[in-house]
Amino acid sequence: DIQMTQSPSSLSASVGDRVAITCRASQNINNCLNWYQQAVGKAPNLLIYTASSLQSGVPSRFSGSRSGTDFTLTISNLQPEDFATYYCQQSCETPYTFGQGTNLEIK
Amino acid sequence: QLHQSGPGLVKASQTLSLTCAISGDSVSSNRAAWNWIRQSPSRGLEWLGRTYFGSKWNYEYPFSVKGRISIKPDTSKNQFSLQLNSVSPEDTAVYFCAKEILHSGPNRFAPWGPGTLVTVSS
Repeated sequence: DIQMTQSPSSLSASVGDRVAITCRASQNINNCLNWYQQAVGKAPNLLIYTASSLQSGVPSRFSGSRSGTDFTLTISNLQPEDFATYYCQQSCETPYTFGQGTNLEIK
Repeated sequence: QLHQSGPGLVKASQTLSLTCAISGDSVSSNRAAWNWIRQSPSRGLEWLGRTYFGSKWNYEYPFSVKGRISIKPDTSKNQFSLQLNSVSPEDTAVYFCAKEILHSGPNRFAPWGPGTLVTVSS
C-alpha cells in the first residue's frame, strides 16, 4: 500500500496568516493527490484535486503544489472558517490511502 | 447528494449494515464509483471499498477487510449498501459513503455523505 505521511500534525496560526501543510507519498503517485478539509462533526470536503486543481466553489486562497513525491497545501490570508482539519489522499491506486491529518487551530 | 441510514449500535460478532441513498445522480453511472470510508481516532480515515458499473458491476476491497465486507448497488432504489460481518469493538467508527468521480482526471471523492457513528458493543 502507498503510505501518505502528513506534517505537521497540528498547527497554530492567526487570521490573516499564510500556512503550509505537506504530504509525502511513499512512492511516485504523479499528480494523483487530493486535499480535503474537515470541520468538526462534518464529513471531509474536497478542496484540491490532481495536486493543484481548485475544486469548484473553493476560495482562491487555497492552493496546491507538487515537487516529486512531496505535496503542499497552502492557505493564504487565513479566515475564521479555515480553522479545521486537513487531509491528503492518494488516488493513484487502490487501496486509497489518507494522511493522518493536520489540525489547524487559532493562535 | 448522499443520504445515509442504518443503526448506530451493533453487537460484537454481528453484522454492521448501512445504506447510502443517491439523489441527483445514478448508481449505474459510468462516470462514478460508490465508496465507503470510515474514520476512527486509532485508524484515521480508512478506505473500505467501492462498487462501480463498467460493462458489468465491479467490486474492490482492501486486504484489511476483505472476506468480511460486501458493498452492493441497488439500482431499483438508486442506492448502495455496506455490510461488514463479524464486527468487533475495533470496528467502532464514523462511516461515510462517498461518490468517486471517474474519467475526469485522477479520481477524487465528492461529495461525501454526512457520516454515521457506529458503535460496536462487546
